[in-house]
Amino acid sequence: AQTIHQWPVAEIKAVGSPLSLGCTIKGKSSPNLYWYWQATGGTLQQLFYSITVGQVESVVQLNLSASRPKDDQFILSTEKLLLSHSGFYLCAWSLGGAETLYFGSGTRLTVL
Amino acid sequence: GDSVTQTEGQVTVSESKSLIINCTYSATSIGYPNLFWYVRYPGEGLQLLLKVITAGQKGSSRGFEATYNKEATSFHLQKASVQESDSAVYYCALSTSSSFSKLVFGQGTSLSVVP
Repeated sequence: AQTIHQWPVAEIKAVGSPLSLGCTIKGKSSPNLYWYWQATGGTLQQLFYSITVGQVESVVQLNLSASRPKDDQFILSTEKLLLSHSGFYLCAWSLGGAETLYFGSGTRLTVL
Repeated sequence: GDSVTQTEGQVTVSESKSLIINCTYSATSIGYPNLFWYVRYPGEGLQLLLKVITAGQKGSSRGFEATYNKEATSFHLQKASVQESDSAVYYCALSTSSSFSKLVFGQGTSLSVVP
């Protein structure tokens, strides 16, 4: 069975500090990987997607970056957090285009 | 671009009553989109509730149903008799065929089922 694990569960960070969120998918080879974000009171938006190791495409510009160092790992990061980065971050995987997305439990980020 | 609209942000329903959560969509991409309902129960992650990829067909899961109506561009979620355990946030979403899946979500509807 496939499992998706996100870490950390929650973070409280200061404006200007760095951030790294992670996601690991087990039990599925070469999945498509995604990062989604939901601001408080907002809707879920796709931030990044990756079809293969080492390749990441940005969908929305939020002064964040993403990397896929391994087939089963997806990292979201920034060197300087902004207040506007607060929200809920979700990692997801799919088998291909227009397919069902399977989500992790998410990371709640609060930037103060 | 593609968009999804859920008109109700919060809904409160008494247990055993019927429920309908409205969802309409606009898809500018070529071809018919795939339509989804996702749900997030308290303290849990986002999970697929049901999916329909063919216009005119109905999807069902856990007593919920939704019919893909391409003429009305709607995908309303219905349940004949809700339970307290159905309390959650429900998201309507669409995706179109591509090399990657870009789900476009509605704003979400928070459902509270009261005794």
